[in-house]
Amino acid sequence: AAGVIQSPRHLIKEKRETATLKCYPIPRHDTVYWYQQGPGQDPQFLISFYEKMQSDKGSIPDRFSAQQFSDYHSELNMSSLELGDSALYFCASSLGGGFTEAFFGQGTRLTVV
Amino acid sequence: GENVEQHPSTLSVQEGDSAVIKCTYSDSASNYFPWYKQELGKRPQLIIDIRSNVGEKKDQRIAVTLNKTAKHFSLHITETQPEDSAVYFCAASLTAAGNKLTFGGGTRVLVKP
Repeated sequence: AAGVIQSPRHLIKEKRETATLKCYPIPRHDTVYWYQQGPGQDPQFLISFYEKMQSDKGSIPDRFSAQQFSDYHSELNMSSLELGDSALYFCASSLGGGFTEAFFGQGTRLTVV
Repeated sequence: GENVEQHPSTLSVQEGDSAVIKCTYSDSASNYFPWYKQELGKRPQLIIDIRSNVGEKKDQRIAVTLNKTAKHFSLHITETQPEDSAVYFCAASLTAAGNKLTFGGGTRVLVKP
């Protein structure tokens, strides 16, 4: 079965650079979530989209922005990168509404040097 | 917003013994409670979930209980095996459109052979 696809899997950027992370949800899933997980930490919710509209916002810095496109894939844009942005970034998808599970992608490991 | 607390943060058990992880949540409107298992550097994977209209659910060696009045839920792993060693996260959400999962802090489980 198709799963959530994230790209790239690994990314190394320098401070103050920009990064774009991509997420392709499971087919027919209309909801996408972004989570940031630092070493030894639980996943922290950043932002979510339902039917291409932002549905909820968590601890996402103003330097980050995201959107969900007409094909339901989502991109997380990160600017002015800081060392503290180094983390695993997970995308998850689900069917909005009702009792559904969220399925996670493999994650993108971002290292800022 | 929702706040989920998880205890203990680390748990060491002998192979064959049981492991119990407990979570409490703050938002009485939450009605979906999944548990995720995460191995080092990998994605969180759903292992079991429970809806608010059910008090207990079992799947082989794993069981989850829910007490909505007290706003807490627990994961029970029986006959633990070394491959059960991982970080386990509880989560809570309100299953409305665009709902997000709020995670507990995680429990690192070590099963000693």
